[in-house]
Amino acid sequence: AQKVTQAQTEISVVEKEDVTLDCVYETRDTTYYLFWYKQPPSGELVFLIRRNSFDEQNEISGRYSWNFQKSTSSFNFTITASQVVDSAVYFCALSETRRGQNFVFGPGTRLSVLP
Amino acid sequence: DGGITQSPKYLFRKEGQNVTLSCEQNLNHDAMYWYRQDPGQGLRLIYYSQIVNDFQKGDIAEGYSVSREKKESFPLTVTSAQKNPTAFYLCASSMAGQPTTEAFFGQGTRLTVV
Repeated sequence: AQKVTQAQTEISVVEKEDVTLDCVYETRDTTYYLFWYKQPPSGELVFLIRRNSFDEQNEISGRYSWNFQKSTSSFNFTITASQVVDSAVYFCALSETRRGQNFVFGPGTRLSVLP
Repeated sequence: DGGITQSPKYLFRKEGQNVTLSCEQNLNHDAMYWYRQDPGQGLRLIYYSQIVNDFQKGDIAEGYSVSREKKESFPLTVTSAQKNPTAFYLCASSMAGQPTTEAFFGQGTRLTVV
């Protein structure tokens, strides 16, 4: 069965610190997709990144970077020089091709960036 | 502007009543989803639909019903059979087919049973 684990329930950092959010997944599919979403206090989930199982290149977008390692089934998310506006709940999600378009979400990590 | 609209934002229901949550999208997406979020927890899939007039149960479908009569609309009914309906409900949509694309979410409906 597919599963997504985010072991860090809550993280607090001081502004300008770097922070890494962990995501570990389980799947029996060889083709799958991984996602990160941000949920600010307003409640709407905001898409951050999608990665397919055949592309293990790390990605950087501004202060955000993602490290995908199939060998450890991990898809970690790092925020560099964190800002107060980064405070939110972050979700990692998995979609397997054989389950159609379903997305399985991890429990989320609440990040608090203190000024 | 393209997007997903959920209404209402807040909803109160008396025990024993059915209530319907609205979800409309103008993104021309084939696939639509309903998720439930409880405090401190992730999103759990209630129902999903990949095409008009067809839908599938998710992990926690008991006590809920849906319809998909139009591509743009995927309303969720919370029935009186749902034992603990107080939660935050999120609707999403995505393009169907492969490769899997990201899902776009509405702003959610917070349902409270009083």
